[in-house]
Amino acid sequence: QKEVEQDPGPLSVPEGAIVSLNCTYSNSAFQYFMWYRQYSRKGPELLMYTYSSGNKEDGRFTAQVDKSSKYISLFIRDSQPSDSATYLCAMRIQGAQKLVFGQGTRLTINP
Amino acid sequence: GAGVSQSPSNKVTEKGKDVELRCDPISGHTALYWYRQRLGQGLEFLIYFQGNSAPDKSGLPSDRFSAERTGESVSTLTIQRTQQEDSAVYLCASSLANSNQPQHFGDGTRLSIL
Repeated sequence: QKEVEQDPGPLSVPEGAIVSLNCTYSNSAFQYFMWYRQYSRKGPELLMYTYSSGNKEDGRFTAQVDKSSKYISLFIRDSQPSDSATYLCAMRIQGAQKLVFGQGTRLTINP
Repeated sequence: GAGVSQSPSNKVTEKGKDVELRCDPISGHTALYWYRQRLGQGLEFLIYFQGNSAPDKSGLPSDRFSAERTGESVSTLTIQRTQQEDSAVYLCASSLANSNQPQHFGDGTRLSIL
C-alpha cells in the first residue's frame, strides 16, 4: 500500500464548476501538507502549503486537512480552463526533508 | 528572479551508457533535492543536499545512481550503465535552509533510454 493515495482521474468538469481533489494517507506522522499544480512538460508549482489540521484559503483555492481521518482536500472555485493540469498532493514529516507525493489527478476544465 | 534551472531538458541515450543531469538551484537556496517522476506517476524522492553534504540518500534506487553538489550551488545526478527502467523525468528542487520552507521545482530532464 502506498503511503499517499490519490485518484489519478482523469476528472473533467465544465468551466465555473467547483472542483474537489482529495488524497488519503496512512502515516500519522505527516505534519506538512502541500498541493502542487503541474502543467504538461513543466515542473510542479506550489499552490498551497499547510501545517497540521485546518483550512487555508488563497483566492479561488481552499486547502483542508483532516488529520483524524488522514484526508486532505483541495477545492477550486469558479474553475477556469487555465486550471486544467495535473494536481499533486505532497506531505512531509516534521524534521524530515523529503516530500512524499500522491500519484496526481489529471483535471480538465471544459469551456 | 530566476527559478531552478535544469539541463538538458531532454536526453535520449542507449542502454548501457552513462548520463549526467545538471541542476542550478535558486540563488541563496542551500537545500537541494532530486526526484524522479515516471510516466503517469507522482514524484519519488531520490536524494537531499544541505550545502555540499547529502544527509539523506535513501531514495537512490541502486548504486548506479550517484549525485554530487559543489560550491553550494550546482548539482549533478549521474546514472551509470543506464537501463530502460531509468526512463523518467528527473526533477530538481531547491529551498531555503529551514526545513519548513517550501520546495521550488525546475522543469526537469526528460530521460529516454533506448
